[in-house]
Amino acid sequence: KQEVTQIPAALSVPEGENLVLNCSFTDSAIYNLQWFRQDPGKGLTSLLLIQSSQREQTSGRLNASLDKSSGRSTLYIAASQPGDSATYLCAVPSGNTGKLIFGQGTTLQVKP
Amino acid sequence: EPEVTQTPSHQVTQMGQEVILRCVPISNHLYFYWYRQILGQKVEFLVSFYNNEISEKSEIFDDQFSVERPDGSNFTLKIRSTKLEDSAMYFCASSLRGLGYEQFFGPGTRLTVL
Repeated sequence: KQEVTQIPAALSVPEGENLVLNCSFTDSAIYNLQWFRQDPGKGLTSLLLIQSSQREQTSGRLNASLDKSSGRSTLYIAASQPGDSATYLCAVPSGNTGKLIFGQGTTLQVKP
Repeated sequence: EPEVTQTPSHQVTQMGQEVILRCVPISNHLYFYWYRQILGQKVEFLVSFYNNEISEKSEIFDDQFSVERPDGSNFTLKIRSTKLEDSAMYFCASSLRGLGYEQFFGPGTRLTVL
């Protein structure tokens, strides 16, 4: 049974810092991994989808890496800004229909 | 840019009442999903829907729950007799082809059962 874990649960950094969020999964036979952003009380915004054949995927200041063999992904945020404050979730598809299994998220606070 | 929409944004109901949560997936997508997130907990899968039938459901999705695609655009989740523990944020998602494809989520419906 696939399980997804995110460390740390919460992170507080000053503005401008580069930071790394971690995601690990127990079953390495995945098609892809998706990173989401969730603002308080809001929906899930897809940030990056990294396919199993890829090592990295970049979007603006965000860079996601994937190491299937070790069951890990990282989300790197460069030059963090207060507007990056949110909860970041990673998820992997499981089963035949692609249902997503989510981690518990990392809540990020970027202080001005 | 196409997006998934959900209505209502917030629903308050009394225990035992029926509720219907509505979603409009992205128009050319073929796979539809419902997830829920109880406050402070992980997002959990409820059900997936393809070709007008349920393709997979979780243990949570018992006889009190049902899904329907009544027309070419809407996708609904019905809870027949709500319980206090059904209070959660319910998210609809859609993807172009299912496994291996990016899922796009709606803004969610916050269900409060009193």
